[in-house]
Amino acid sequence: DVKVTQSSRYLVKRTGEKVFLECVQDMDHENMFWYRQDPGLGLRLIYFSYDVKMKEKGDIPEGYSVSREKKERFSLILESASTNQTSMYLCASSPTGQANTEAFFGQGTRLTVV
Amino acid sequence: KQEVTQIPAALSVPEGENLVLNCSFTDSAIYNLQWFRQDPGKGLTSLLLIQSSQREQTSGRLNASLDKSSGRSTLYIAASQPGDSATYLCAVQLYNFNKFYFGSGTKLNVKP
Repeated sequence: DVKVTQSSRYLVKRTGEKVFLECVQDMDHENMFWYRQDPGLGLRLIYFSYDVKMKEKGDIPEGYSVSREKKERFSLILESASTNQTSMYLCASSPTGQANTEAFFGQGTRLTVV
Repeated sequence: KQEVTQIPAALSVPEGENLVLNCSFTDSAIYNLQWFRQDPGKGLTSLLLIQSSQREQTSGRLNASLDKSSGRSTLYIAASQPGDSATYLCAVQLYNFNKFYFGSGTKLNVKP
Protein backbone atom coordinates (compact mmCIF):
# COMPACT_ATOMS: atom_id res chain seq x y z
CA ASP A 1 0.00 0.00 0.00
CA VAL A 2 1.44 3.33 -1.06
CA LYS A 3 2.10 5.73 1.70
CA VAL A 4 2.97 9.31 2.47
CA THR A 5 3.69 9.82 6.15
CA GLN A 6 3.85 13.12 7.99
CA SER A 7 5.75 13.10 11.25
CA SER A 8 3.07 14.68 13.43
CA ARG A 9 -0.74 14.92 13.38
CA TYR A 10 -0.85 17.85 15.80
CA LEU A 11 1.76 20.40 16.82
CA VAL A 12 1.63 23.40 19.12
CA LYS A 13 4.53 25.84 18.88
CA ARG A 14 5.33 29.25 20.26
CA THR A 15 5.76 32.40 18.23
CA GLY A 16 9.34 32.78 17.04
CA GLU A 17 10.20 29.09 17.27
CA LYS A 18 11.83 27.29 14.35
CA VAL A 19 9.49 24.50 13.29
CA PHE A 20 10.24 21.42 11.22
CA LEU A 21 7.52 19.43 9.47
CA GLU A 22 8.71 16.14 8.04
CA CYS A 23 7.24 14.08 5.22
CA VAL A 24 8.36 10.67 3.95
CA GLN A 25 7.07 8.73 0.94
CA ASP A 26 7.78 5.12 0.07
CA MET A 27 6.81 5.17 -3.61
CA ASP A 28 10.07 6.43 -5.14
CA HIS A 29 8.24 9.49 -6.48
CA GLU A 30 10.21 12.33 -8.02
CA ASN A 31 7.82 15.12 -7.05
CA MET A 32 6.95 16.17 -3.54
CA PHE A 33 4.76 19.06 -2.41
CA TRP A 34 3.83 21.06 0.65
CA TYR A 35 0.40 22.70 0.82
CA ARG A 36 -1.41 24.57 3.51
CA GLN A 37 -5.18 24.44 3.80
CA ASP A 38 -7.27 27.15 5.41
CA PRO A 39 -11.05 27.57 5.57
CA GLY A 40 -12.31 29.56 2.63
CA LEU A 41 -8.90 29.61 0.92
CA GLY A 42 -8.60 25.99 -0.14
CA LEU A 43 -5.24 24.33 -0.75
CA ARG A 44 -2.35 26.65 -1.47
CA LEU A 45 1.02 25.44 -2.67
CA ILE A 46 3.97 26.51 -0.53
CA TYR A 47 6.90 24.71 -2.19
CA PHE A 48 7.50 21.71 -4.36
CA SER A 49 10.51 19.62 -5.27
CA TYR A 50 11.01 17.65 -8.47
CA ASP A 51 14.28 15.99 -7.52
CA VAL A 52 16.76 15.66 -4.69
CA LYS A 53 18.11 19.08 -3.68
CA MET A 54 15.83 20.75 -6.24
CA LYS A 55 13.01 23.01 -5.14
CA GLU A 56 10.70 25.65 -6.53
CA LYS A 57 8.53 28.21 -4.84
CA GLY A 58 4.82 27.77 -4.94
CA ASP A 59 2.19 30.44 -4.48
CA ILE A 60 2.89 31.35 -0.83
CA PRO A 61 6.56 30.64 0.03
CA GLU A 62 7.10 33.63 2.33
CA GLY A 63 8.12 32.58 5.83
CA TYR A 64 8.89 29.01 4.77
CA SER A 65 11.84 27.07 3.45
CA VAL A 66 12.25 23.42 2.44
CA SER A 67 14.88 20.74 2.34
CA ARG A 68 15.13 17.61 0.23
CA GLU A 69 18.38 15.78 0.93
CA LYS A 70 16.99 12.34 0.08
CA LYS A 71 14.42 11.35 -2.52
CA GLU A 72 11.95 9.97 0.00
CA ARG A 73 12.01 12.88 2.46
CA PHE A 74 10.78 16.47 2.08
CA SER A 75 10.93 18.83 5.02
CA LEU A 76 9.08 22.10 5.51
CA ILE A 77 10.74 24.64 7.78
CA LEU A 78 9.10 27.61 9.42
CA GLU A 79 12.08 29.83 10.18
CA SER A 80 10.31 31.88 12.85
CA ALA A 81 6.78 30.71 13.47
CA SER A 82 4.02 33.31 13.56
CA THR A 83 0.36 33.06 14.51
CA ASN A 84 -0.71 33.50 10.87
CA GLN A 85 1.03 30.23 10.09
CA THR A 86 -1.52 28.36 12.18
CA SER A 87 -2.99 25.99 9.61
CA MET A 88 -3.37 22.44 8.32
CA TYR A 89 -0.26 21.41 6.41
CA LEU A 90 -0.47 18.69 3.79
CA CYS A 91 2.38 16.86 2.09
CA ALA A 92 1.95 15.05 -1.22
CA SER A 93 4.03 13.10 -3.70
CA SER A 94 3.59 12.09 -7.33
CA PRO A 95 5.63 10.47 -10.10
CA THR A 96 6.62 12.26 -13.27
CA GLY A 97 7.08 11.29 -16.89
CA GLN A 98 4.55 8.48 -16.81
CA ALA A 99 0.96 8.16 -17.94
CA ASN A 100 -0.23 7.60 -14.38
CA THR A 101 0.87 10.56 -12.29
CA GLU A 102 -1.49 9.94 -9.42
CA ALA A 103 -0.73 12.09 -6.39
CA PHE A 104 -0.91 10.78 -2.83
CA PHE A 105 -1.30 12.83 0.31
CA GLY A 106 -0.24 12.40 3.90
CA GLN A 107 -2.66 12.57 6.80
CA GLY A 108 -1.95 16.24 7.48
CA THR A 109 -0.35 18.16 10.35
CA ARG A 110 -2.50 20.57 12.28
CA LEU A 111 -0.10 23.29 13.45
CA THR A 112 -1.11 25.83 16.06
CA VAL A 113 1.23 28.75 16.77
CA VAL A 114 0.53 30.50 20.06
CA LYS B 1 -3.38 30.76 -14.80
CA GLN B 2 -5.48 27.64 -14.51
CA GLU B 3 -8.61 28.10 -12.42
CA VAL B 4 -10.66 25.19 -11.12
CA THR B 5 -14.25 25.61 -9.98
CA GLN B 6 -16.48 23.14 -8.19
CA ILE B 7 -20.23 23.43 -8.04
CA PRO B 8 -22.13 23.10 -5.80
CA ALA B 9 -20.11 24.13 -2.75
CA ALA B 10 -22.34 21.97 -0.56
CA LEU B 11 -24.86 19.26 -1.18
CA SER B 12 -27.22 17.37 1.13
CA VAL B 13 -29.04 14.28 -0.13
CA PRO B 14 -30.96 11.37 1.39
CA GLU B 15 -29.30 7.99 1.49
CA GLY B 16 -29.66 5.96 -1.68
CA GLU B 17 -29.71 8.84 -4.13
CA ASN B 18 -27.45 8.98 -7.16
CA LEU B 19 -25.59 12.28 -7.38
CA VAL B 20 -23.23 14.24 -9.59
CA LEU B 21 -20.45 16.57 -8.52
CA ASN B 22 -19.08 19.04 -11.04
CA CYS B 23 -15.60 20.36 -11.72
CA SER B 24 -14.68 22.89 -14.40
CA PHE B 25 -11.28 24.23 -15.44
CA THR B 26 -10.29 27.16 -17.61
CA ASP B 27 -7.32 25.77 -19.56
CA SER B 28 -7.99 22.55 -21.46
CA ALA B 29 -4.27 21.76 -21.86
CA ILE B 30 -4.18 19.47 -18.86
CA TYR B 31 -2.24 16.26 -18.36
CA ASN B 32 -4.45 14.53 -15.82
CA LEU B 33 -7.42 15.22 -13.58
CA GLN B 34 -7.74 13.63 -10.17
CA TRP B 35 -10.62 13.39 -7.72
CA PHE B 36 -9.98 13.28 -3.97
CA ARG B 37 -12.02 12.81 -0.85
CA GLN B 38 -11.25 14.59 2.42
CA ASP B 39 -12.77 13.73 5.77
CA PRO B 40 -12.82 16.45 8.47
CA GLY B 41 -9.37 17.08 9.90
CA LYS B 42 -7.73 14.50 7.66
CA GLY B 43 -5.57 14.40 4.57
CA LEU B 44 -6.76 13.82 1.01
CA THR B 45 -7.56 10.33 -0.24
CA SER B 46 -7.20 9.68 -3.95
CA LEU B 47 -10.39 8.37 -5.54
CA LEU B 48 -9.85 8.38 -9.28
CA LEU B 49 -7.31 9.64 -11.78
CA ILE B 50 -8.35 10.33 -15.36
CA GLN B 51 -5.53 10.67 -17.86
CA SER B 52 -6.01 13.28 -20.57
CA SER B 53 -6.37 10.55 -23.20
CA GLN B 54 -9.23 8.92 -21.29
CA ARG B 55 -12.89 9.86 -21.11
CA GLU B 56 -13.84 8.16 -17.86
CA GLN B 57 -12.73 5.99 -14.99
CA THR B 58 -14.73 3.80 -12.64
CA SER B 59 -14.10 2.49 -9.16
CA GLY B 60 -16.93 0.71 -7.39
CA ARG B 61 -19.87 3.13 -7.04
CA LEU B 62 -17.80 6.02 -8.39
CA ASN B 63 -17.54 7.08 -12.01
CA ALA B 64 -15.57 10.09 -13.17
CA SER B 65 -15.77 11.54 -16.66
CA LEU B 66 -13.57 14.06 -18.42
CA ASP B 67 -14.35 16.36 -21.33
CA LYS B 68 -11.19 18.32 -22.02
CA SER B 69 -12.61 20.37 -24.85
CA SER B 70 -15.32 21.85 -22.65
CA GLY B 71 -13.12 22.00 -19.54
CA ARG B 72 -15.35 19.80 -17.42
CA SER B 73 -15.27 16.72 -15.25
CA THR B 74 -18.04 15.07 -13.28
CA LEU B 75 -17.93 12.60 -10.40
CA TYR B 76 -20.97 10.36 -10.28
CA ILE B 77 -21.73 8.58 -7.01
CA ALA B 78 -24.29 5.79 -7.24
CA ALA B 79 -26.54 4.74 -4.37
CA SER B 80 -25.05 7.20 -1.89
CA GLN B 81 -24.42 6.13 1.71
CA PRO B 82 -23.87 8.11 4.93
CA GLY B 83 -20.24 6.99 4.81
CA ASP B 84 -19.84 8.98 1.59
CA SER B 85 -20.24 12.20 3.59
CA ALA B 86 -17.01 14.17 3.07
CA THR B 87 -15.57 16.98 1.00
CA TYR B 88 -14.73 16.05 -2.58
CA LEU B 89 -11.99 17.93 -4.41
CA CYS B 90 -10.86 17.82 -8.00
CA ALA B 91 -7.37 18.76 -9.14
CA VAL B 92 -5.88 19.24 -12.60
CA GLN B 93 -2.26 18.63 -13.43
CA LEU B 94 -0.37 20.38 -16.17
CA TYR B 95 2.12 18.85 -18.59
CA ASN B 96 5.12 19.95 -16.55
CA PHE B 97 3.91 17.57 -13.80
CA ASN B 98 4.96 19.85 -11.04
CA LYS B 99 1.77 21.57 -10.13
CA PHE B 100 -1.76 20.62 -9.25
CA TYR B 101 -4.55 23.15 -9.34
CA PHE B 102 -7.31 22.40 -6.85
CA GLY B 103 -10.93 23.34 -6.76
CA SER B 104 -12.41 24.55 -3.49
CA GLY B 105 -14.38 21.34 -3.04
CA THR B 106 -17.97 20.16 -2.66
CA LYS B 107 -19.05 19.27 0.87
CA LEU B 108 -21.40 16.30 0.65
CA ASN B 109 -23.78 15.24 3.42
CA VAL B 110 -25.69 11.99 2.94
CA LYS B 111 -28.54 11.74 5.43
CA PRO B 112 -29.58 8.33 6.78
